[in-house]
Amino acid sequence: GESVGLHLPTLSVQEGDNSIINCAYSNSASDYFIWYKQESGKGPQFIIDIRSNMDKRQGQRVTVLLNKTVKHLSLQIAATQPGDSAVYFCAEKLETSYDKVIFGPGTSLSVIP
Amino acid sequence: DAGVIQSPRHEVTEMGQEVTLRCKPISGHDYLFWYRQTMMRGLELLIYFNNNVPIDDSGMPEDRFSAKMPNASFSTLKIQPSEPRDSAVYFCASSPLEIGGASNEQFFGPGTRLTVL
Repeated sequence: GESVGLHLPTLSVQEGDNSIINCAYSNSASDYFIWYKQESGKGPQFIIDIRSNMDKRQGQRVTVLLNKTVKHLSLQIAATQPGDSAVYFCAEKLETSYDKVIFGPGTSLSVIP
Repeated sequence: DAGVIQSPRHEVTEMGQEVTLRCKPISGHDYLFWYRQTMMRGLELLIYFNNNVPIDDSGMPEDRFSAKMPNASFSTLKIQPSEPRDSAVYFCASSPLEIGGASNEQFFGPGTRLTVL
């Protein structure tokens, strides 16, 4: 059913520590999983993606892990910085529609200086 | 490149008025997407275009909403008549074509914050 209102999960992390943002998905037919970052007052920005046949992908200071057995996706940010404070969305692209990206509800990351 | 450009950045209008939101995608991008973001419903895809042709408008809430893309560099989202529940931030995004379809990387504009009184 629909949510009455979205209460974003919030993660607070000390500057310099590693952050782990988690996401559960329900659709086994997703072909790609994607992470976006949205800073206050701005549009979402692409971070990294991972294809469903992979378990891990690394970018600059970020790592995405995919566990298809339990339908779980995570984004790890190394040495978190104040500029990492934002809302992070996991998103998926279904094999049935290679154009559309379906966004999850998001997680708010707050970095404590 | 200036990125995706949206106008206006803020719009305050009264219930019943027509609202037109505008978007200029990144040059060369084949896909254009319109999203609506609210605290209640998150980020929702309203409609998207491929090479100026509407492909999927299943996310458009009702007949009061319409979108056009008369050419590769311009799109509009129109609400007529507007209602208070339309208050939201509306984003336009564009993406290039990759093998199989639109790129996973969509480039979002800054959004238009719409308030309907």
